[in-house]
Amino acid sequence: KNEVEQSPQNLTAQEGEFITINCSYSVGISALHWLQQHPGGGIVSLFMLSSGKKKHGRLIATINIQEKHSSLHITASHPRDSAVYICAVSRANFGNEKLTFGTGTRLTIIP
Amino acid sequence: DARVTQTPRHKVTEMGQEVTMRCQPILGHNTVFWYRQTMMQGLELLAYFRNRAPLDDSGMPKDRFSAEMPDATLATLKIQPSEPRDSAVYFCASGRPGEQYFGPGTRLTVT
Repeated sequence: KNEVEQSPQNLTAQEGEFITINCSYSVGISALHWLQQHPGGGIVSLFMLSSGKKKHGRLIATINIQEKHSSLHITASHPRDSAVYICAVSRANFGNEKLTFGTGTRLTIIP
Repeated sequence: DARVTQTPRHKVTEMGQEVTMRCQPILGHNTVFWYRQTMMQGLELLAYFRNRAPLDDSGMPKDRFSAEMPDATLATLKIQPSEPRDSAVYFCASGRPGEQYFGPGTRLTVT
């Protein structure tokens, strides 16, 4: 069993829909990261969080440490949100240390 | 706009040849990571450095891979000899505690 599991693996939705991507992990962590990989291959770090909730524009990330679960939400989804979203966890004292990755969720937003 | 740079962006080589990939981290970042991404395995950490010292290279095949930071502005990943199973995208990332920035990657094809 992978230490980091994501669901769903693939998600197709209509433009404007509210999107939720889930991440569960089985180890103790110091932080959880959400990354976005564009169709061209570039990777962008969206959030790093160790508790509660963070918001950036239409993206919201939440984490429940007790349940070892995090969600990434996208409000008012747009075709430009189409990408692979990757959850990763770090286990060192600082949130920037070595990451263990989930397998990613491929999101496609249809106009 | 500071960013991590990687060269080359694409490399095609024959089995048995040496491959060197280079990374210039963002100035001021004290941690550098090398990742590999394949369709089968997803993203995996190969090695990382803090303040130019190697901290963990347990993800690297030791017999053929080597990673170094000859100075604060350059990280290298070498494969010698290369094999077809090394075909992947290799990402470098740099950061400070709480943040991590990915380079554009080097797409390696070994024939």
